[in-house]
Amino acid sequence: GAVVSQHPSRVICKSGTSVKIECRSLDFQATTMFWYRQFPKQSLMLMATSNEGSKATYEQGVEKDKFLINHASLTLSTLTVTSAHPEDSSFYICSAKDWRSYNEQFFGPGTRLTVL
Amino acid sequence: AQTVTQSQPEMSVQEAETVTLSCTYDTSESDYYLFWYKQPPSRQMILVIRQEAYKQQNATENRFSVNFQKAAKSFSLKISDSQLGDAAMYFCAYKREYGNKLVFGAGTILRVKS
Repeated sequence: GAVVSQHPSRVICKSGTSVKIECRSLDFQATTMFWYRQFPKQSLMLMATSNEGSKATYEQGVEKDKFLINHASLTLSTLTVTSAHPEDSSFYICSAKDWRSYNEQFFGPGTRLTVL
Repeated sequence: AQTVTQSQPEMSVQEAETVTLSCTYDTSESDYYLFWYKQPPSRQMILVIRQEAYKQQNATENRFSVNFQKAAKSFSLKISDSQLGDAAMYFCAYKREYGNKLVFGAGTILRVKS
């Protein structure tokens, strides 16, 4: 099956610094990638949808300047949390859609971000 | 806007028994897709089963089956012969036929007792 990786799996940073999370599709080309945020024991909240080579589409209430998304190639999307604060601490999950598949998203293993 | 409701925050089942997780959704569209995802303690999202709305036949994957009631907008998941490895958070999700977004329910924590 299709595999999506995320790096790093865990990151701890100081308040005010920026953190970059990578999402890669390992064995397929992903025309569309998605970034979700998940709080403990809660559902996934879609933050943004990114299409290769174009600007990301952010969901209402998500700060574009805070969460920078780049989808520079068909296998890589990055999420940069700028000027991180403790309230940005969360579990971030990416998913990717194979260009051949209409229906299915393949999820990465997630990244736990802790901002001190 | 489409919404997905999972009314059971937590469920418990004895090992080897059967459990049903409920999901209802709201949509005005006739063609769409429904999914059940499993999220074990590792937090990796795993697709359990998928149902196309145009198909009347309920999807089945080994011990997992769904009861899809289109008119009632209901999509329940039945897990037969429950195993300890089935313990996880289960999410019901909806996707429009030609859309990209998945709309998730709040999730149901399933505990399996030995």
